[in-house]
Amino acid sequence: DAKTTQPPSMDCAEGRAANLPCNHSTISGNEYVYWYRQIHSQGPQYIIHGLKNNETNEMASLIITEDRKSSTLILPHATLRDTAVYYCIVRPLFSGGYNKLIFGAGTRLAVHP
Amino acid sequence: NAGVTQTPKFQVLKTGQSMTLQCAQDMNHEYMSWYRQDPGMGLRLIHYSVGAGITDQGEVPNGYNVSRSTTEDFPLRLLSAAPSQTSVYFCASTGQGYGYTFGSGTRLTVV
Repeated sequence: DAKTTQPPSMDCAEGRAANLPCNHSTISGNEYVYWYRQIHSQGPQYIIHGLKNNETNEMASLIITEDRKSSTLILPHATLRDTAVYYCIVRPLFSGGYNKLIFGAGTRLAVHP
Repeated sequence: NAGVTQTPKFQVLKTGQSMTLQCAQDMNHEYMSWYRQDPGMGLRLIHYSVGAGITDQGEVPNGYNVSRSTTEDFPLRLLSAAPSQTSVYFCASTGQGYGYTFGSGTRLTVV
């Protein structure tokens, strides 16, 4: 699976958009970009995933560059409850016997009043 | 409620003791995994399974055994606990191609 690079930490004011970047320059054509978050020692929570088109759901938007070498997770109106570690993971949608999810260090997002 | 259930939530073991961490899911997911998370660190994959009767090693398998006799259950066994296995353990499951659902974790301390 391709390696990802994320900033170790970011800050965001409550009510503003939080834009979390992720670099994945070695991504393969069949690999998707997944985002998870972990709120204070709880189990990680799936947020969103995408291949090449931008995606939006009730939690967030995912913007993937045209060359697919980087992406941005957008939380449009961050709240204090969005304070968490956010993980960007690249892997095939379905990789048969190797359906593993490998976590990196992630980005620690702090939302402040 | 549908999801991944882990038991126990907390456990203290003495060095050399054995125990089994239980994980059950009711979503008919084929894929299940075990992770450990040490303080201030990211999650590391211990073992995973792609279906009943099929398991494989992850990044840090030493000291742990798994089996998958049913689709629903994926227990993790510590044969002889060591202080280095003090950690928070997460179980996760997924159907084909979708996001993983994680359990709430088991906090294990080995003294």
